Amino acid sequence: GAVVSQHPSRVICKSGTSVKIECRSLDFQATTMFWYRQFPKQSLMLMATSNEGSKATYEQGVEKDKFLINHASLTLSTLTVTSAHPEDSSFYICSARGRGASGSHNEQFFGPGTRLTVL
Amino acid sequence: GQNIDQPTEMTATEGAIVQINCTYQTSGFNGLFWYQQHAGEAPTFLSYNVLDGLEEKGRFSSFLSRSKGYSYLLLKELQMKDSASYLCAVRERRSLIFGKGTTLSVSS
Repeated sequence: GAVVSQHPSRVICKSGTSVKIECRSLDFQATTMFWYRQFPKQSLMLMATSNEGSKATYEQGVEKDKFLINHASLTLSTLTVTSAHPEDSSFYICSARGRGASGSHNEQFFGPGTRLTVL
Repeated sequence: GQNIDQPTEMTATEGAIVQINCTYQTSGFNGLFWYQQHAGEAPTFLSYNVLDGLEEKGRFSSFLSRSKGYSYLLLKELQMKDSASYLCAVRERRSLIFGKGTTLSVSS
């Protein structure tokens, strides 16, 4: 299968600061990237979908001004949590789909996730 | 609206067979996926069904009935390492919508 990396794996920040999470497709071109959030013992909730070179499409209830998504290239998408608050503490997972990825059925490949803790 | 239901928890013993059910009601359907997720890690792909019937892949099999909005994941010859959460996900158009997951505990 294809490989998706995320950085950082863990981040702790103070309330009010901004945090950037990077998601990279290492061996394929990610034409579409997805950002999910997962609270403890909950399912993955889709936050937004982004296509390379265009603006992200946000799910209902997700503030686009708070969660800035940039998909500037076919191998990189970033999620910036602006003015983070303790309730933003969660597990953020990116997923990618695209050209040149092995696997079947137009599969989505997931990154290892980023654990964000806001103090 | 969207609704994907699966049991919250299941327990089983090593060597046994377990079936995890998933029912769904979604506005669109473009395939059903099963993922395995260990605590603190990203989901890993297990299976995909888009047509009715059974897909077998080693110890894991997945079944789909589109008319009933129903799928199951069957795990055979359970091993301790199979203890994890199993997520049922439906593809609507281009995005995956996940159920809450079933936490499976395998004991010796």
